Amino acid sequence: EDQVTQSPEALRLQEGESSSLNCSYTVSGLRGLFWYRQDPGKGPEFLFTLYSAGEEKEKERLKATLTKKESFLHITAPKPEDSATYLCAVQAKGTSYGKLTFGQGTILTVHP
Amino acid sequence: DGGITQSPKYLFRKEGQNVTLSCEQNLNHDAMYWYRQDPGQGLRLIYYSQIVNDFQKGDIAEGYSVSREKKESFPLTVTSAQKNPTAFYLCASSPQVSRQGAITQYFGPGTRLTVL
Repeated sequence: EDQVTQSPEALRLQEGESSSLNCSYTVSGLRGLFWYRQDPGKGPEFLFTLYSAGEEKEKERLKATLTKKESFLHITAPKPEDSATYLCAVQAKGTSYGKLTFGQGTILTVHP
Repeated sequence: DGGITQSPKYLFRKEGQNVTLSCEQNLNHDAMYWYRQDPGQGLRLIYYSQIVNDFQKGDIAEGYSVSREKKESFPLTVTSAQKNPTAFYLCASSPQVSRQGAITQYFGPGTRLTVL
């Protein structure tokens, strides 16, 4: 059974204080690992897809990396507008449709 | 602009009533999905549809029903058989395949259902 565990559950940062969110996964052959951002009361917004170990992707202050067991979402010099819940999900090989297994999310709060 | 719309944004239901949540997409995606989100839990798949007139149960389909008569639309009915329907409901869509293999799902804004 595919499993995704995100840590920490909640993270409070001061503006400008860089940190990382972790996503550990167990999957029978990884097709892709996805990061989403979700603001309160809204739907998840797609950020990145990572396909294989060693891959990195960047968008503004966010950088996602992938190993064979986990992914990190690095946030450099965060701003209050980066406050949101960050969701990680995996897609396994062998699924005939885009089945995703989600983690519980990390709630990030950035204080000015 | 291409995207996914869900309506209504908020929905209140009395116990014993069926309610239908709307989901429309103009992304020309073949596949559509319904998820339920509860506090402290990951998104859980209710139903999915890969093509028109075909749909499959997800992990928590009991008490829900769907239809897929048009490519653009995938409504979800929450029936009175669903014992704990209060939750945030999310609709998503995706292309059938992608060049790199992984299929990205894109989400709508969600509908918050509250049972009174």
